[in-house]
Amino acid sequence: DVKVTQSSRYLVKRTGEKVFLECVQDMDHENMFWYRQDPGLGLRLIYFSYDVKMKEKGDIPEGYSVSREKKERFSLILESASTNQTSMYLCATRGGNQPQHFGDGTRLSIL
Amino acid sequence: QKEVEQNSGPLSVPEGAIASLNCTYSDRGSQSFFWYRQYSGKSPELIMFIYSNGDKEDGRFTAQLNKASQYVSLLIRDSQPSDSATYLCAAHNNDMRFGAGTRLTVKP
Repeated sequence: DVKVTQSSRYLVKRTGEKVFLECVQDMDHENMFWYRQDPGLGLRLIYFSYDVKMKEKGDIPEGYSVSREKKERFSLILESASTNQTSMYLCATRGGNQPQHFGDGTRLSIL
Repeated sequence: QKEVEQNSGPLSVPEGAIASLNCTYSDRGSQSFFWYRQYSGKSPELIMFIYSNGDKEDGRFTAQLNKASQYVSLLIRDSQPSDSATYLCAAHNNDMRFGAGTRLTVKP
């Protein structure tokens, strides 16, 4: 079974803070993804990575950055958190053309 | 135009009935299609995938694909209250595109 672990289920931060969301997978998959999910808007892709040290912008990269120093770990960084970044954040991994598997998600609140 | 479209619902069916969930996609190059189930407050979990035209059955679930019509559906037979969730359709070409989801409620 694919295991995708996100570091926190719930997180509360303040406006202007730098926030790190961590994601680790144990399947040696090349592809990793960060999404946010908001009511009525569905899943929106923030960033993805096809290999170590490689990153590509998704549909809504503004205000975010990512880091992939090791194959198993993909980090999402909110450079200066704002209230409109309050959301559910989902990490996913995929090997080749196989289905994506999601972590449990991090519900992030920015006060 | 959204790349993957689903009726947002809510779709309500009585227990034991067949629930029919529909999805259309715009990218004709899409090769594989997925259905995920998402319970409230939880992350999406894969329940079915289909690559070829026609039907694919797995227990109470049947996925149907018609590439000519760019249409994917999911049928849930003998619906149970535990099937109440949001169902996400996804289409994969070079990347994965998700629909916004259809909320299904199965009433006892």
